[in-house]
Amino acid sequence: EAGVVQSPRYKIIEKKQPVAFWCNPISGHNTLYWYLQNLGQGPELLIRYENEEAVDDSQLPKDRFSAERLKGVDSTLKIQPAELGDSAVYLCASSSGGQDTQYFGPGTRLTVL
Amino acid sequence: SQQGEEDPQALSIQEGENATMNCSYKTSINNLQWYRQNSGRGLVHLILIRSNEREKHSGRLRVTLDTSKKSSSLLITASRAADTASYFCATDSGNKLVFGAGTILRVKS
Repeated sequence: EAGVVQSPRYKIIEKKQPVAFWCNPISGHNTLYWYLQNLGQGPELLIRYENEEAVDDSQLPKDRFSAERLKGVDSTLKIQPAELGDSAVYLCASSSGGQDTQYFGPGTRLTVL
Repeated sequence: SQQGEEDPQALSIQEGENATMNCSYKTSINNLQWYRQNSGRGLVHLILIRSNEREKHSGRLRVTLDTSKKSSSLLITASRAADTASYFCATDSGNKLVFGAGTILRVKS
């Protein structure tokens, strides 16, 4: 069974530029999560999807961050415009309905210069 | 904000020794989970303990949960160099995992 796939693995951009991250969850997993992980910290939830519906986006900075999960499978997280403080690892995870365990992708390391 | 707090922040031991990491949290939970993260990689689920359980084993892992003290511990027995990683506890209070800052474990061979 393939794991959670994320791309790109690394991204370096200049501040004020837009950036997008892509996630393909494990097949059949209806719940998808985006997390932000700063250096030396644990992941912090940005948004959770149940199928194509965002059911918890309370921690998503909506002035510059947006996300979508069309057709309830793949998801894209976008930042526009990026700021220096957005430098971090962006993790995607998925889980199957009724299961408590989340399966994480390798993450995208974003560096904003 | 992060609910769980791991202790110690970093731990260095010799191969073959046991490693114990602790986690404290603030609110009531449905379950508590431990994850491992190797450098530059995603998190891997290790073990889950529910709020009505007190102890759970999985291979060389032993997890305890004390809901009265709002604390949990992860014991790795007979450590190996490959156990070198960051370990995070995560509390589940209902469809949402809240992670601690993690313990960095280094196992020297």
